[in-house]
Amino acid sequence: GAVVSQHPSWVICKSGTSVKIECRSLDFQATTMFWYRQFPKQSLMLMATSNEGSKATYEQGVEKDKFLINHASLTLSTLTVTSAHPEDSSFYICSARGQGAPYNSPLHFGNGTRLTVT
Amino acid sequence: AQSVAQPEDQVNVAEGNPLTVKCTYSVSGNPYLFWYVQYPNRGLQFLLKYITGDNLVKGSYGFEAEFNKSQTSFHLKKPSALVSDSALYFCAVRLPMNYGGSQGNLIFGKGTKLSVKP
Repeated sequence: GAVVSQHPSWVICKSGTSVKIECRSLDFQATTMFWYRQFPKQSLMLMATSNEGSKATYEQGVEKDKFLINHASLTLSTLTVTSAHPEDSSFYICSARGQGAPYNSPLHFGNGTRLTVT
Repeated sequence: AQSVAQPEDQVNVAEGNPLTVKCTYSVSGNPYLFWYVQYPNRGLQFLLKYITGDNLVKGSYGFEAEFNKSQTSFHLKKPSALVSDSALYFCAVRLPMNYGGSQGNLIFGKGTKLSVKP
């Protein structure tokens, strides 16, 4: 159980275009989803926290107008990279907390999306 | 500032030998501690967690970790390494509930690449 599906697994786009990444909890409802970004050989950096039905909370230094997050239902959160540039190329990973899950329960991660902007 | 340190970028071990991947943390209060493993171009898989109680925690795939409060460490161990254990390992902490506005996200170390040779 507790499967998080992230789509697409990889995407190549041209500079200036927008890309949408989906994160779905398949067998549980997720009130909170976290979006992370991972640079090569580096750790995961939290970008934002999304709660179903409310605005996302962005970490300091993350441009909310560039990285649009929508958490419209208890099973789906989306991250849209708007007007992508080569420096946005990275590995993006989502994770989810189950509704009603104890606070000390582990997060469930998607398999990530490799974004390459040319 | 809350932080997690993994002092080794890479750990090399011969198959069959014991392995240790080090982690120390600097977090106020009593944090929850986690270990995750990441295979290339994949998301993170949960290995084990420490919440409270016995300092030696057993997890998936034969891994275990020892919590040491006085040394603020949570080293990952396995008695006998396998080639298939080769991957990137992340130590992470979750702040206590509502501490600093935490919604349960994880703070990650920079990761340690484990290489197990036949």
